[in-house]
Amino acid sequence: AQKVTQAQTEISVVEKEDVTLDCVYETRDTTYYLFWYKQPPSGELVFLIRRNSFDEQNEISGRYSWNFQKSTSSFNFTITASQVVDSAVYFCALRGTYKYIFGTGTRLKVLA
Amino acid sequence: DAGVIQSPRHEVTEMGQEVTLRCKPISGHNSLFWYRQTMMRGLELLIYFNNNVPIDDSGMPEDRFSAKMPNASFSTLKIQPSEPRDSAVYFCASSFGGTNTEAFFGQGTRLTVV
Repeated sequence: AQKVTQAQTEISVVEKEDVTLDCVYETRDTTYYLFWYKQPPSGELVFLIRRNSFDEQNEISGRYSWNFQKSTSSFNFTITASQVVDSAVYFCALRGTYKYIFGTGTRLKVLA
Repeated sequence: DAGVIQSPRHEVTEMGQEVTLRCKPISGHNSLFWYRQTMMRGLELLIYFNNNVPIDDSGMPEDRFSAKMPNASFSTLKIQPSEPRDSAVYFCASSFGGTNTEAFFGQGTRLTVV
C-alpha cells in the first residue's frame, strides 16, 4: 500500500525564521515520484516540485530547498528566511502508478 | 496558457437536487483527475481518466456520483441526489504523459448542500 505521512499538523514561525516541513512515505514500487504542493488561503493547489525515486540530489530554488532521502523514505521541504506570504497548507504527494496519494498537509503560519 | 478551468467556483444547493461540476483540462493533457477535499478526509481521489477513458473510479463514494469525459477538453462530475455530507471542495486536475509528471489543479468548486 502507498501512504504519505505529514506528522506536523500546524507550524507557526516568526518571519525570517527557517522552517522544515516533514514528509515520510511508504511504497513498494521501485519507481515512484514525489511532489510538494502549496495551498494558499485562496484555496488553489500550486505545484512546487517533483522528484523521482532515482534522483536523491537535493534541490534548491530560491528560498526553497528539498531533501530527499530514500534510506529513510523522507522528502522534506525547507523554507529559508520565511515570509508572511509563505503562510499556506503544504501537501506532500506520492505517485507510483497513476494516483497521486496526498498527505494530510501541514499548515504553516508565518507571523510578522 | 490557461490552466485547468473549473465551474462553478461556488455552488449552494438544497439536499436532493442534482449538481453538476465542470472541468476543462489543460490543452494537450491526457490524464484527468477529480479529487474531493474535506477537513475530515483530506484530498481523496474520486476518479481518474486517461485518454478520456475512466481507468479507476473506486474512489467514487456511491452510485449518486457519476463522472464523464466526452472529449479531451471537457469533464463533468455529477451528484444526484445531493446530500449535506457531499459538501466539500471538488478539484479537477490534469497532467500530460506518464507517471513522471505533475498534475495541475483547477481552483476548485466549493459545494455546499443545505
